[in-house]
Amino acid sequence: EPEVTQTPSHQVTQMGQEVILRCVPISNHLYFYWYRQILGQKVEFLVSFYNNEISEKSEIFDDQFSVERPDGSNFTLKIRSTKLEDSAMYFCASRGTLAEQYFGPGTRLTVT
Amino acid sequence: QKEVEQNSGPLSVPEGAIASLNCTYSDRGSQSFFWYRQYSGKSPELIMSIYSNGDKEDGRFTAQLNKASQYVSLLIRDSQPSDSATYLCAVNMDAGGTSYGKLTFGQGTILTVHP
Repeated sequence: EPEVTQTPSHQVTQMGQEVILRCVPISNHLYFYWYRQILGQKVEFLVSFYNNEISEKSEIFDDQFSVERPDGSNFTLKIRSTKLEDSAMYFCASRGTLAEQYFGPGTRLTVT
Repeated sequence: QKEVEQNSGPLSVPEGAIASLNCTYSDRGSQSFFWYRQYSGKSPELIMSIYSNGDKEDGRFTAQLNKASQYVSLLIRDSQPSDSATYLCAVNMDAGGTSYGKLTFGQGTILTVHP
């Protein structure tokens, strides 16, 4: 069964460093998303991506964040200058023509 | 602020019982409703979707939607210890016809099924 994959599973970085989180969505899906979940809190929407551009973003998704689909299969989230409060689980999700979104296993980002 | 509300629990039921999980949402124009299961330290796993008023059954799971009351629920019949997890209600609140599917999640209900 097709699934969303994410790498790395755990990323530790120092404050101020750049990180890139990678996702491979399900192959025939058209819509891609990033969500994050701070420990003990709700899953929060960050950004949606369709037709090679951002379609919607939350107020969390400020100028330090960017997304890219560099090669037709990968979907990346870059955080330019990490802060302590960026520590969270980051989930990639994708959907096809139906509304259901399927989540990847997540990347645990720890900023020290 | 568009919200999805769930009772955080924990909800404890004996094995074999029916577990009932509830969710309310603030945006009357919401169109799509989902239940995800999340085991500790894992990602959300889609278990049910519902779009129309009424009931939708899939195996031991039944989702119920009442748009007039802005209420969606999940029933788990014959609960098993393996059902112990956090259940997340998620709503696509964009009814404007330009939705790209952004989901708004509730805080989740912790379910414990004890033998």
